[in-house]
Amino acid sequence: EAEVAQSPRYKITEKSQAVAFWCDPISGHATLYWYRQILGQGPELLVQFQDESVVDDSQLPKDRFSAERLKGVDSTLKIQPAELGDSAMYLCASSLVLLAADNEQFFGPGTRLTVL
Amino acid sequence: GEDVEQSLFLSVREGDSSVINCTYTDSSSTYLYWYKQEPGAGLQLLTYIFSNMDMKQDQRLTVLLNKKDKHLSLRIADTQTGDSAIYFCAETHSSSNTGKLIFGQGTTLQVKP
Repeated sequence: EAEVAQSPRYKITEKSQAVAFWCDPISGHATLYWYRQILGQGPELLVQFQDESVVDDSQLPKDRFSAERLKGVDSTLKIQPAELGDSAMYLCASSLVLLAADNEQFFGPGTRLTVL
Repeated sequence: GEDVEQSLFLSVREGDSSVINCTYTDSSSTYLYWYKQEPGAGLQLLTYIFSNMDMKQDQRLTVLLNKKDKHLSLRIADTQTGDSAIYFCAETHSSSNTGKLIFGQGTTLQVKP
């Protein structure tokens, strides 16, 4: 069964360091999402891609976060420098189309980031 | 504005029914979803409902929507220990041209044997 892959699963870093997360969506899925899920809260969208283009990055802290999806397939989310408040689960999701009545987003297992 | 609220915790006995509640504020919400998150895993879509529907049933799951009160509920019949997880309701609306999902904070369902 096709799945969204993410790596690493766990990352521990010190504040002010740079970290990067990788996501490989389900093959053929044009839309890719990065969410941040702080412990005890629901996921919050950071950035959304349609193919290689960003369609929504309104909640991305652009002074330290960047995201790219150069070939419209896999994607990288980077934080530089990391801060203590960035400790969270970072979830990647993909969907077949941008808008659909049953626009199911398929989620990866997430990367658990701990900033010390 | 966009806001989705859920109760934080629910505990039931195996075999009982569980009802998880959600309220939302955006009257333009078009689609409403229920996702399940098991420990250490990503989110899994359980079911969704269009805003022009009142009810949707899918095997053990029943979704009720009260648009007037902006209230959504998920009923799980014959709850099993494997249903223990965090349940998130989420909305998206017609004014969004990106299909962006707004999630509640999640309800932890504990099923006791």
